[in-house]
Formats: sequence, structure tokens, C-alpha cells
Amino acid sequence: AQKITQTQPGMFVQEKEAVTLDCTYDTSDPSYGLFWYKQPSSGEMIFLIYQGSYDQQNATEGRYSLNFQKARKSANLVISASQLGDSAMYFCAISIMDSNYQLIWGAGTKLIIKP
Amino acid sequence: SAVISQKPSRDICQRGTSLTIQCQVDSQVTMMFWYRQQPGQSLTLIATANQGSEATYESGFVIDKFPISRPNLTFSTLTVSNMSPEDSSIYLCSVLRQGIGELFFGEGSRLTVL
Repeated sequence: AQKITQTQPGMFVQEKEAVTLDCTYDTSDPSYGLFWYKQPSSGEMIFLIYQGSYDQQNATEGRYSLNFQKARKSANLVISASQLGDSAMYFCAISIMDSNYQLIWGAGTKLIIKP
Repeated sequence: SAVISQKPSRDICQRGTSLTIQCQVDSQVTMMFWYRQQPGQSLTLIATANQGSEATYESGFVIDKFPISRPNLTFSTLTVSNMSPEDSSIYLCSVLRQGIGELFFGEGSRLTVL
């Protein structure tokens, strides 16, 4: 069965510093996708970045990058030059391709950026 | 990207009543999903709503408690029936973008049951 683990329940980071949010996964499927979402206090879920299991290069999207280490089954999110608006919950998820498409979600990490 | 509108954005309800949440998408989509997020928790999939067929419920969720309608390719409703305080959650509608399998989410409906 697929599983996502986020070991950091909460993090405090100084504004303008880089931050790494950890995510490890477990799956027996050779083909899968890894996603990161941001959830501000307003409650909406905002898609940030995607990494496919066969992608050779680490995904990047503006200040977001994904440190994908397939052998270690980790997909850490790196946010460069953090901003106050980055304060939110961050969720890692893995897609499974069974008869009913769905994402398996991690428990989330609460990130607080300090001014 | 799809634009998804959810109504109501929040509500406070009395125990034993029912509430219907609406989800409107600005384009036709095949698969729509309903999630629940209990306070301080991650997302849990309630069911997958496909147009023209019965919704597919995940373990722990039943149609009598969470009836779902999907009358067309742009709209769905989720009803939370006979509510109790344990139903206090954020309920999120989402749709699948073909390609990488990214999910787009509505703004969520924050439900408080007294």
C-alpha cells in the first residue's frame, strides 16, 4: 500500500531563509506522481509542484523546487528566500493509479515564517 | 487551470440537521472528488463522483450519511446528513486535471456543528 510520511509537524523559519520540508513515501508501483500543496489559514488547497517517478530532473516552479531522491524514496520541498506569505500548512501527496484515481496524503507540516 | 466554486464557504449548523454543499466547475470534467479535512488533520477522500453513475465511496463513508449528486459534467453536491459535532470539518471539492493528475480544489466549505 502507498504511504506518505511527513515527519515535521511544525517549523519556524526566519524570513528570507531557505526552508526544506521533508516527505518520504512508500509504494510498490513503478509509476507514480508526487505532489506538494499549500493550505493557508483560509482553507483552500493550492497546488505547488509535481514530480513524476520517471522524471530525470528535479522539478522547479519559481521559488519552489523538489529534491527528488528516488532511491531514498524522498521528495522534499525546498522553498528559497522564504516570505511571510509562505506561512501555511504544506501537504505532500502521492498519486496511485488504481481503478479509482486518488491521492494519498501526508499529515502535513505547519510552516511559520518569522519576520 | 479549472476554476471551482464551492458554496457555502462556511456554515454553523445544529445537530441532527443536514447541509448540502455545492461545487461548480467552469469546465467539463470527468472525475470530481469530495474530501473531508477534520480540524488539524490531513485530507481524507469521501467519494469519487462520476457523471451518470453512482458515486464510489471510500471505506468508512456511506451513501446514507454523505449522499452525492452529479447531474452533469460541471456540477456536484455533497450532503452531510443528520449532522453531529464530529462532522465539523472542512469539506473540499476537487477535480482532476488530465495529464499529470493534478487536483484542483475549491475554496472549501468550513462546517461547524453545534
